[in-house]
Amino acid sequence: NAGVMQNPRHLVRRRGQEARLRCSPMKGHSHVYWYRQLPEEGLKFMVYLQKENIIDESGMPKERFSAEFPKEGPSILRIQQVVRGDSAAYFCASSPAAEYTDTQYFGPGTRLTVL
Amino acid sequence: GNSVTQMEGPVTLSEEAFLTINCTYTATGYPSLFWYVQYPGEGLQLLLKATKADDKGSNKGFEATYRKETTSFHLEKGSVQVSDSAVYFCALSDRGRGADGLTFGKGTHLIIQP
Repeated sequence: NAGVMQNPRHLVRRRGQEARLRCSPMKGHSHVYWYRQLPEEGLKFMVYLQKENIIDESGMPKERFSAEFPKEGPSILRIQQVVRGDSAAYFCASSPAAEYTDTQYFGPGTRLTVL
Repeated sequence: GNSVTQMEGPVTLSEEAFLTINCTYTATGYPSLFWYVQYPGEGLQLLLKATKADDKGSNKGFEATYRKETTSFHLEKGSVQVSDSAVYFCALSDRGRGADGLTFGKGTHLIIQP
């Protein structure tokens, strides 16, 4: 059973460009979470999605960031007009259901560098 | 709001030493507690978890006990190996209060010297 897959693993963008990060959850998982890890920091929750629905986006910056999880295909985290402060590791996690004690399984992350 | 505090690193130990990494939490409900481990350049792997008070999570020689009275979930291992060198994150899940994301501590970098 393949784990959570993320691509690309490394992404370099110039200021003002768009970054698209993809996440394929584990087979059988319908819940996806995105986290951001700044250098020397822990992970910060950004957004929680189920198929075709955003459930909780309380951790998402109000501007330039968006996320989707379509009926078919991977979840996408999109960052428009990137700035240097967006440089970080972005991790996706998935879980099979939103039960109280469900564990989240993490992908390898996408490391975004903004020049 | 919820928060997790864990000891600052780096923590440097010799092989076969006893390990303790402290973790305390603040939560309004009754959270589940987790330890994740991150090896260089990789994602997070679940190490162990506990879902209610007095539960003990264990895996690969690591243990942690959910202590509600002290709001703690300290990670311990009796004899560490060089291969245990990694960053360790304590985290909580408080879905019972409508929170959907995990709340993480800042991580503790563990270095084991041969």
